[in-house]
Amino acid sequence: AQKITQTQPGMFVQEKEAVTLDCTYDTSDQSYGLFWYKQPSSGEMIFLIYQGSYDEQNATEGRYSLNFQKARKSANLVISASQLGDSAMYFCAMREYGGSEKLVFGKGTKLTVNP
Amino acid sequence: EAGVVQSPRYKIIEKKQPVAFWCNPISGHNTLYWYLQNLGQGPELLIRYENEEAVDDSQLPKDRFSAERLKGVDSTLKIQPAELGDSAVYLCASSLDRSGNTEAFFGQGTRLTVV
Repeated sequence: AQKITQTQPGMFVQEKEAVTLDCTYDTSDQSYGLFWYKQPSSGEMIFLIYQGSYDEQNATEGRYSLNFQKARKSANLVISASQLGDSAMYFCAMREYGGSEKLVFGKGTKLTVNP
Repeated sequence: EAGVVQSPRYKIIEKKQPVAFWCNPISGHNTLYWYLQNLGQGPELLIRYENEEAVDDSQLPKDRFSAERLKGVDSTLKIQPAELGDSAVYLCASSLDRSGNTEAFFGQGTRLTVV
């Protein structure tokens, strides 16, 4: 069964600094995808970044990068140069290919960026 | 391009009353999801459609919840009768297809309060 674990209920970071949000996953499939979403207080889930299990390079999208360590089953999100607008809930999610195809989410991490 | 549209944004009903939520996915998106998000938790899948077919409804409490997706476009999620524990945010999402690296786009959700 799929499982996503986010062990940090809350994180604080100073504006302009980098922050890492942790995500570990559990799957028996060899083929899967990992996603990070941001959920501001408005409630909408915003897609940030994707990493496929067969991708050899870590994914990057602007200030977001994904530190993918397949052997450790971790997919940590790194946000560089934090901005006040980055304050939000962040969810890690996984989809197994060829299996249930469910997009399963972790419990999330609340990030607060301090000025 | 319009995003996923959900209505209503907020709904307050008394317990034992029926309630319905509506979702209009992004044009051309074949896959549609309904998620339930409790306060402080990640979204949990209720049902997934591929076109008009419900391909995964294993988490849908079928004694009180029902869903339909007419003509493979808009979808409606219904609860009858509502219980106090149904108070949550109901999120609709759509994706282009079921392939693993296609991200799901979310609507802003419907916040249901059952009193």
